Amino acid sequence: EVQLVESGGGLVQPGGSLRLSCAASGFTFSSYSMNWVRQAPGKGLEWVSYISSSSSTIYYADSVKGRFTISRDNAKNSLYLQMNSLRDEDTAVYYCARDPTDYDILTGYPLHYYYGMDVWGQGTTVTVSS
Amino acid sequence: DIQMTQSPSTLSASVGDRVTITCRASQSISSWLAWYQQKPGKAPKLLIYKASSLESGVPSRFSGSGSGTEFTLTISSLQPDDFATYYCQQYNSYSPALTFGGGTKVEIK
Repeated sequence: EVQLVESGGGLVQPGGSLRLSCAASGFTFSSYSMNWVRQAPGKGLEWVSYISSSSSTIYYADSVKGRFTISRDNAKNSLYLQMNSLRDEDTAVYYCARDPTDYDILTGYPLHYYYGMDVWGQGTTVTVSS
Repeated sequence: DIQMTQSPSTLSASVGDRVTITCRASQSISSWLAWYQQKPGKAPKLLIYKASSLESGVPSRFSGSGSGTEFTLTISSLQPDDFATYYCQQYNSYSPALTFGGGTKVEIK
């Protein structure tokens, strides 16, 4: 069964740090790009960060740039999100999601089609509060 | 960043109704659009990719259409399992950002 399982969420004070993990199983993790997407309480979905299959391409939303770091360990079938300098507005459920699209390295555009995010984890809750 | 405007934000409908949700992009995104369904306390589920392609395992009562800046998600005959929130999502480039619409909550009338 194709599966993503997040962990590492919890309660942290403003200015603190947290590291989220996403364990993949049931598919060849090293062949897929991955994303982190978050959802604040009662709000919509917000894309956070992207990492290509080889870690050669990484993107961040402006709201987390300079504070969050995405990484992966293909040998361990795991995706990570290191979150530093946490703010109240980072409070959310954080999801990892698989991205099956192949992108042109130079332009960033899909080589063929955009396939969406086809597998999602169940989410892990991060609460930033004093 | 490309803005995605979804309408309506809330929709009240009955089982068996035909339901249409609209998503408008602030600039052309070709057919690089996906639709997701999310139920309370659950992760989003991919329904449609490439604007009109049905994800494997998704019932055929769901369909997507559009290109450029105007897109629609249609549920041909609403079923009890379809009461949920639906999001569109555009891909033009990860830089600057991939963005989601604000969501449409489909409620029981």
